[in-house]
Amino acid sequence: GAVVSQHPSRVICKSGTSVKIECRSLDFQATTMFWYRQFPKQSLMLMATSNEGSKATYEQGVEKDKFLINHASLTLSTLTVTSAHPEDSSFYICSAPASLGYVNEQFFGPGTRLTVL
Amino acid sequence: KNQVEQSPQSLIILEGKNCTLQCNYTVSPFSNLRWYKQDTGRGPVSLTIMTFSENTKSNGRYTATLDADTKQSSLHITASQLSDSASYICVVTGGGNKLTFGTGTQLKVEL
Repeated sequence: GAVVSQHPSRVICKSGTSVKIECRSLDFQATTMFWYRQFPKQSLMLMATSNEGSKATYEQGVEKDKFLINHASLTLSTLTVTSAHPEDSSFYICSAPASLGYVNEQFFGPGTRLTVL
Repeated sequence: KNQVEQSPQSLIILEGKNCTLQCNYTVSPFSNLRWYKQDTGRGPVSLTIMTFSENTKSNGRYTATLDADTKQSSLHITASQLSDSASYICVVTGGGNKLTFGTGTQLKVEL
């Protein structure tokens, strides 16, 4: 199956700093990638849809100036949490769709644990 | 409003036993339903995916069923193992390929 990687897997930063998370599709191209946030014991919440070569689409309530998304190539999307605060501490996961025969499967990255002190 | 509800919220079973997880959805239009396994601190991994015309799909000890008329799905785990301990998430794809996630069932398999 297709593989999606994320880097870093864990990051701890001070309040006020910016953190960049990378999402890569390793063996397939993805014109669209999705970014999710997951709080403990809760399900994934879609934050935004990353579109290669164009602006990302953000879900309602997600600040686009705080969560900067760049989809510079067909295999890489980045999420930058700007001026991070403790409430931004969460598990961030990306996914990318890939066709497997007649269905579009969603492949998820392993996630990035962000802790803001 | 598109919703996916899962039950039970959590479940503890003994190793070797079977269990069944439930998923009810109100997503419309419906494209497909997937079950994912998510280990703690990891991303979800796909177990099964079913389209409207499929009633059952197996993947090893995992068997998923789908009743598109009643909008219900179940995931049956046979002969559970300690490594089955994880969160199991039901995800329904609706119009525009939009995913609606269930809140998951936390399964713990004990000796």
